[in-house]
Amino acid sequence: DAMVIQNPRYQVTQFGKPVTLSCSQTLNHNVMYWYQQKSSQAPKLLFHYYDKDFNNEADTPDNFQSRRPNTSFCFLDIRSPGLGDAAMYLCATSPGVTYEQYFGPGTRLTVT
Amino acid sequence: QKEVEQDPGPLSVPEGAIVSLNCTYSNSAFQYFMWYRQYSRKGPELLMYTYSSGNKEDGRFTAQVDKSSKYISLFIRDSQPSDSATYLCAMKGVGGSQGNLIFGKGTKLSVKP
Repeated sequence: DAMVIQNPRYQVTQFGKPVTLSCSQTLNHNVMYWYQQKSSQAPKLLFHYYDKDFNNEADTPDNFQSRRPNTSFCFLDIRSPGLGDAAMYLCATSPGVTYEQYFGPGTRLTVT
Repeated sequence: QKEVEQDPGPLSVPEGAIVSLNCTYSNSAFQYFMWYRQYSRKGPELLMYTYSSGNKEDGRFTAQVDKSSKYISLFIRDSQPSDSATYLCAMKGVGGSQGNLIFGKGTKLSVKP
């Protein structure tokens, strides 16, 4: 089945230790998104790629970076995780900027 | 004032009940109104969408949008235990940053057999 895959599903990292989260898709969508969702909070858009064009949200901390080496893969790099970065990170895709986004299962990040 | 407000619940109902979930919003530029369903340990999935004002029905689910009141609703008839999930409203405008989805916090629904 075509889908959005996120690895790992659970990630534990130490305070200040860089971490990379991975997302891949078989839907061949040209837009990929990264959201941060804290417990009982709305998913918050961090950034998105429209093809290779990177779009950063104004309030996304510099600590968060992203790479999209090809259509299928997108990575979220957290350069120096703080305790406040513990959250569920959701990757989503869409065929253009539409109302329908397809989400992966998320990676739950714990910072110790 | 947040752009989208949603009562987080939790909401617990008996099987067969009618469920009403609601969101209010402040941005009059929103044109698309969606409901996403998120099961535990899964990502959200689109349940229904409505463009501009009006009603839309899909099986046991009805979505309503009242742009004059900046209020949207999702009704679930004959609720089932399989409907137990978190329901997130989401909205977007058209073009530029208005094209991004703005989510509510989600309402956690539990349907008891």
